[in-house]
Amino acid sequence: GESVGLHLPTLSVQEGDNSIINCAYSNSASDYFIWYKQESGKGPQFIIDIRSNMDKRQGQRVTVLLNKTVKHLSLQIAATQPGDSAVYFCAEAGSGAGSYQLTFGKGTKLSVIP
Amino acid sequence: DTGVSQDPRHKITKRGQNVTFRCDPISEHNRLYWYRQTLGQGPEFLTYFQNEAQLEKSRLLSDRFSAERPKGSFSTLEIQRTEQGDSAMYLCASSRGGGRETQYFGPGTRLLVL
Repeated sequence: GESVGLHLPTLSVQEGDNSIINCAYSNSASDYFIWYKQESGKGPQFIIDIRSNMDKRQGQRVTVLLNKTVKHLSLQIAATQPGDSAVYFCAEAGSGAGSYQLTFGKGTKLSVIP
Repeated sequence: DTGVSQDPRHKITKRGQNVTFRCDPISEHNRLYWYRQTLGQGPEFLTYFQNEAQLEKSRLLSDRFSAERPKGSFSTLEIQRTEQGDSAMYLCASSRGGGRETQYFGPGTRLLVL
């Protein structure tokens, strides 16, 4: 079946450095992608989203890049802070008509070293 | 704070017992979703409602699971005859209902079946 997955399960970065979290997806018909941050014991928190008619979208300290050719998604976090430590998930919105379920990858754990 | 609330936050039960969880979505959000998350995995879609209508159900939603949203506002998820494999975090999310769009998650209910 279709799937969304991540290249790296863990990532450690120094405080102040930039972080890049990658995600591969397999459904070429996917048209909407979301990055979520999940801290221990909490629900996923929306970070940023992007639709398939865009290649790049920027938020506050975060940028999402979408490469439809290779079905790859990345999340860049600038000047990573200790509060960014969490598990990050990419999610794909269902591409079927009337389908709104999200399909999540396994997640990447980001650890920020002070 | 996303505005989605869930109750209870934690539930411990014995195998064979029934449990019920409640979700209150963000006010005026028409769509409400249920997901299940096990340790080390991303959330998995269970079902979703458009107002009071249940429009999509995952194959994960066995006949022991039932969800309702009787007045199109809060929703309940009931698990009958719980099994140890039901132990997981049960997440609720809501969205406005205008196409593929951001889903905002609640804090989840962590279920442990002994």
